[in-house]
Amino acid sequence: KAGVTQTPRYLIKTRGQQVTLSCSPISGHRSVSWYQQTPGQGLQFLFEYFSETQRNKGNFPGRFSGRQFSNSRSEMNVSTLELGDSALYLCASSLVGGPNTEAFFGQGTRLTVV
Amino acid sequence: TQLLEQSPQFLSIQEGENLTVYCNSSSVFSSLQWYRQEPGEGPVLLVTVVTGGEVKKLKRLTFQFGDARKDSSLHITAAQPGDTGLYLCAATSQGGSEKLVFGKGTKLTVNP
Repeated sequence: KAGVTQTPRYLIKTRGQQVTLSCSPISGHRSVSWYQQTPGQGLQFLFEYFSETQRNKGNFPGRFSGRQFSNSRSEMNVSTLELGDSALYLCASSLVGGPNTEAFFGQGTRLTVV
Repeated sequence: TQLLEQSPQFLSIQEGENLTVYCNSSSVFSSLQWYRQEPGEGPVLLVTVVTGGEVKKLKRLTFQFGDARKDSSLHITAAQPGDTGLYLCAATSQGGSEKLVFGKGTKLTVNP
């Protein structure tokens, strides 16, 4: 079956702009989590959605937001982009989320803010 | 905030050598996972350990969860160039939020 698909793979934006990233989970998976990966901070949890509801949230400013649709596809949005937002954004899907659940990651979206 | 400290941060070895990487924390975890991430790809789950003292083997990889469920190690025997990648440990807290917390990883390079 198809894996987790993230679009676009690469993105270059200017400071102050906003961006929307998309994630299509594995068919049947209802939990989608988003992570930001940078060389200095590693993988940091942004938020998790389950059945269209945000179930967990990391310590990121309100400029970072997300949503999940009825087909479990998810989007994340970053408004008023800053240079420090340059990172690899990863999406992971799992059947129901939670402890001990296997999460499957997409290839990520590489965002560069100039 | 639970912190997962991974060591070493970087490791470069020759093909055929053995190595061990570590994942430590002061917090107790209900489970711990190891992932490998290759350049340009997302992390791929290698193993989940749940019970304190548990040892799991995956071909040349041996994973151990500490008795107190605060630490873990990954041992690779006879490393091969295909083992090159970023090894990440991740854990969910005991009785807390269900979100995964990741260590910063160990970047392993196996030279032919």
